[in-house]
Amino acid sequence: GAVVSQHPSRVICKSGTSVKIECRSLDFQATTMFWYRQFPKQSLMLMATSNEGSKATYEQGVEKDKFLINHASLTLSTLTVTSAHPEDSSFYICSARDPALREQFFGPGTRLTVL
Amino acid sequence: AQSVTQLDSQVPVFEEAPVELRCNYSSSVSVYLFWYVQYPNQGLQLLLKYLSGSTLVKSINGFEAEFNKSQTSFHLRKPSVHISDTAEYFCAVSVIQAGTALIFGKGTTLSVSS
Repeated sequence: GAVVSQHPSRVICKSGTSVKIECRSLDFQATTMFWYRQFPKQSLMLMATSNEGSKATYEQGVEKDKFLINHASLTLSTLTVTSAHPEDSSFYICSARDPALREQFFGPGTRLTVL
Repeated sequence: AQSVTQLDSQVPVFEEAPVELRCNYSSSVSVYLFWYVQYPNQGLQLLLKYLSGSTLVKSINGFEAEFNKSQTSFHLRKPSVHISDTAEYFCAVSVIQAGTALIFGKGTTLSVSS
């Protein structure tokens, strides 16, 4: 199956700093990528839908100025958590949709810890 | 809007016993259905999916799920579980149109013990 990578896999930062997470589709072109957030022992909550070359569509309650999403190419989307606070600590997972397979492939996730 | 309900948050079973993880969905339009598995501190892996055709779909590791349109269900079953099946299982749906996101259930923790 298709492979999606995320970098970094784990990041610890101080409160007030910004953190960038990269999501790459390694062997297919993804016109659409998705960003999810998962709290401990809970389900994945969709944060935003990222389309290549256009602005991301954010879900209700997700602050677009805090969670900046850029989808600059067909294989790369980035999520930047700006001015991170401890409550932003979570597991962030991206997925990329392979239109040929009609299926989303998930990255391994990024564990963000804000001190 | 679509929603997914996984009725059991935790399912403890003994090794080699059968198991069923229940999933019901709500949608006013046709959807694709998925089961994903998540091992500790890892991302999601697709277990199986229903897009069209036969309502019974099977995975390579012995799991199967049956799409029941009248009951809006997509329950996951395995006749004999292994210790290694211990994980979090998520049921998900997506609307049948390009570019739509997955809507996930809250997940079911399957714990297999010897």
